[in-house]
Amino acid sequence: LAKTTQPISMDSYEGQEVNITCSHNNIATNDYITWYQQFPSQGPRFIIQGYKTKVTNEVASLFIPADRKSSTLSLPRVSLSDTAVYYCLVGAAYGGSQGNLIFGKGTKLSVKP
Amino acid sequence: AAGVIQSPRHLIKEKRETATLKCYPIPRHDTVYWYQQGPGQDPQFLISFYEKMQSDKGSIPDRFSAQQFSDYHSELNMSSLELGDSALYFCASSSRLAGAYEQYFGPGTRLTVT
Repeated sequence: LAKTTQPISMDSYEGQEVNITCSHNNIATNDYITWYQQFPSQGPRFIIQGYKTKVTNEVASLFIPADRKSSTLSLPRVSLSDTAVYYCLVGAAYGGSQGNLIFGKGTKLSVKP
Repeated sequence: AAGVIQSPRHLIKEKRETATLKCYPIPRHDTVYWYQQGPGQDPQFLISFYEKMQSDKGSIPDRFSAQQFSDYHSELNMSSLELGDSALYFCASSSRLAGAYEQYFGPGTRLTVT
């Protein structure tokens, strides 16, 4: 799995857009970028996954530049309930991947009123 | 929609005792994973099973073992418990067709060793 680097913490206010960037300089050709969200004492929750360009779902958007050495998770108009730890993971998600997730240090997002 | 079920939700054991944690994956998911999360720590991968066969091992102590049964439920057996085993234990399941990294986690079992 490619090593990832993301900010330890971020603060935001309700209604703002939050962008969390993850660096993964050693990403391999068949690696995907996956983001998880974790609330205290709950299991991580899959948010979004992408390979290149932009992916959007009902929760977030994922922006991946052409060189794929970084990615940005964008949360539109955050609320207090978005306060959580966000993990960026990079690895071969398909083609027989064993899939065990290696969680690094996530980004603790604190949303204030 | 059906989610991953774990039991028990809370478990208190004494040192040197044994514990068994159970996991029922989402129907038709072919892969089960176990993770351990200590206080203030990030989740750590322990072991996984694909179609009832052990698929990969992570940082699982030799005192722990796991298996997946014919009905796809999985059990994590922990023996000679130590204080340091106190943690949240998560089970997750996925379908390889949908992508191994899209895992669905259960609510966890909080194990306290006294």
